Amino acid sequence: GQQVMQIPQYQHVQEGEDFTTYCNSSTTLSNIQWYKQRPGGHPVFLIQLVKSGEVKKQKRLTFQFGEAKKNSSLHITATQTTDVGTYFCAGPNNAGNMLTFGGGTRLMVKP
Amino acid sequence: TAGITQAPTSQILAAGRSMTLRCTQDMRHNAMYWYRQDLGLGLRLIHYSNTAGTTGKGEVPDGYSVSRANTDDFPLTLASAVPSQTSVYFCASSDSGVPYYEQFFGPGTRLTVL
Repeated sequence: GQQVMQIPQYQHVQEGEDFTTYCNSSTTLSNIQWYKQRPGGHPVFLIQLVKSGEVKKQKRLTFQFGEAKKNSSLHITATQTTDVGTYFCAGPNNAGNMLTFGGGTRLMVKP
Repeated sequence: TAGITQAPTSQILAAGRSMTLRCTQDMRHNAMYWYRQDLGLGLRLIHYSNTAGTTGKGEVPDGYSVSRANTDDFPLTLASAVPSQTSVYFCASSDSGVPYYEQFFGPGTRLTVL
């Protein structure tokens, strides 16, 4: 079945450093979503990418969807302590009736 | 508005006992979902419902059942709990069942089965 993999699983950074998490799907995706989960909290939707090669920005966050629509990345510039949490990507399964989530990348930021 | 509420917040359950996790949304969303979250495994879909009166199986449905009698409520039942069902359970909803819509998550229920 479809697999959605994320790397790295964990990342420690010093505040002010950049951070990137990568998401790879075993199948071509029609769209990809990104969610953030703060420690002890619930996932919150960040963004959706639909077009091949699409790049979207939200302040210090940059999201990319690969040309082949099988991979995506989230880049955070100059991390802050408020960026702490786990970032998940999610893409539809082959049947298109549910989302498959990646395992997440847990970001820890040292002040 | 409250969005999505879940109850209880946490529960310790003896193996073999049954339990129903409650989920209610006030956004009039058509689709609702139940996920379990285990360390390192992300979120895995248990069951979903695209509209009131219909349900479907997700990735890990065994040992769980759901019903969708109305738009707002989507309870998850464990008929006979086992320790491997220890997890954090999240209910979610979206405007539509197709996966182009963002999902809104509840605060979660932490379940421990001993």
